[in-house]
Amino acid sequence: DIVMTQTPLSSPVTLGQPASISCRSSQSLVHSDGNTYLSWLQKRPGQPPRLLIYKISRRFSGVPDRFSGSGAGTDFTLKISRVEAEDVGVYYCMQATQFPQTFGQGTKVEIK
Amino acid sequence: QLHLQESGPGLVKPSETLSLTCTVSGGSISSSSYYWGWIRQPPGKGLEWIGSIYYSGSTYYNPSLKSRVTISVDTSKNQFSLKLSSVTAADTAVYYCSRMDVWGKGTTVTVSS
Repeated sequence: DIVMTQTPLSSPVTLGQPASISCRSSQSLVHSDGNTYLSWLQKRPGQPPRLLIYKISRRFSGVPDRFSGSGAGTDFTLKISRVEAEDVGVYYCMQATQFPQTFGQGTKVEIK
Repeated sequence: QLHLQESGPGLVKPSETLSLTCTVSGGSISSSSYYWGWIRQPPGKGLEWIGSIYYSGSTYYNPSLKSRVTISVDTSKNQFSLKLSSVTAADTAVYYCSRMDVWGKGTTVTVSS
């Protein structure tokens, strides 16, 4: 199984300031079809997960442009350019390049 | 707009089988090349992928659960289902059905006698 490791596990951020979350996979996420199936999801309390970013950097429909994804191979990053109150929650990276699909441990973003 | 809705018992006894159904509305479960999956989140823990079914019927399961999991699809009802056998308290979780870009609201399943 591909192990996904996120850092940090907790990220206290001041409103309006940036936040960055790293995700590292135990092996390359480049699929044989050339795509890299690395996604980022947001999980707010009491709500289902929400897809933010797919294929490393493609922002899903309706996701604010303050969210961006980058990376390649085994190292990936989610950035929030200016954290807003509604961004509080747990963020997960997830790989779907190889079954079983696996998630990172989650990074809790909270306001200082 | 695609909508997914989980349904099934909220309480299951230990050693019994957990059965959940995901009803898809706003689109056909068999019309596109998507994977339809089940993910769960135990209390205080992270997300865990249980398994997925391709629109063609091929199934893929988490090896840690494979011996107990069955995912099936009923295209006539536009539904896909999860069965998890021999449940224990460790299977207590919120269960989500998902196409990854669209998620159900989740249903809480508690395993207790």
